[in-house]
Amino acid sequence: SAVISQKPSRDICQRGTSLTIQCQVDSQVTMMFWYRQQPGQSLTLIATANQGSEATYESGFVIDKFPISRPNLTFSTLTVSNMSPEDSSIYLCSVGRDRESEQYFGPGTRLTVT
Amino acid sequence: KQEVTQIPAALSVPEGENLVLNCSFTDSAIYNLQWFRQDPGKGLTSLLLIQSSQREQTSGRLNASLDKSSGRSTLYIAASQPGDSATYLCAVRLIYNQGGKLIFGQGTELSVKP
Repeated sequence: SAVISQKPSRDICQRGTSLTIQCQVDSQVTMMFWYRQQPGQSLTLIATANQGSEATYESGFVIDKFPISRPNLTFSTLTVSNMSPEDSSIYLCSVGRDRESEQYFGPGTRLTVT
Repeated sequence: KQEVTQIPAALSVPEGENLVLNCSFTDSAIYNLQWFRQDPGKGLTSLLLIQSSQREQTSGRLNASLDKSSGRSTLYIAASQPGDSATYLCAVRLIYNQGGKLIFGQGTELSVKP
């Protein structure tokens, strides 16, 4: 298994500002994912961030709005840019060794945009 | 497009009852299926992972089955306890998605009454 931490755990931000969320894993992992969970909804993948390559974004998500960094095999950041109230969600980091293995999730970052 | 559906959306049972949560998916070309538990305001905890070649997996009081051809999985919880109260999510990993992303259902919110 993998132990994943996220910072911050929660934040309240003003409209138009940006927030960077950090994800730290206790072991080296190849696959890292960022998900969003809007209030009362299930999880939606934002992007896949594999080390050594550019992040791959899902339909409806763009790099200018959600830039991602993956500098090494244990760390990644997701920035939510130019925030609006619609960005209020829980953002979750997830990791997996490969497609055959379990995927593990961090505790999430609860973002409220006012 | 893969769609994952979970029925029921919510379930309330008395303590000690055995129960079954259902998950269905529209595209049988999956690599594996994973069941998660999510406590309110928290991240996801992995419960069981079933590979496409497997029929079931067991962990303690939990048993998950997979019928890939019919697009169904069930999570059986034996002798339910109040501590089992949470939202249960199933997610599938597509066989042709090299990125390994998960497609999630909407979840079943379980409440076990003492």
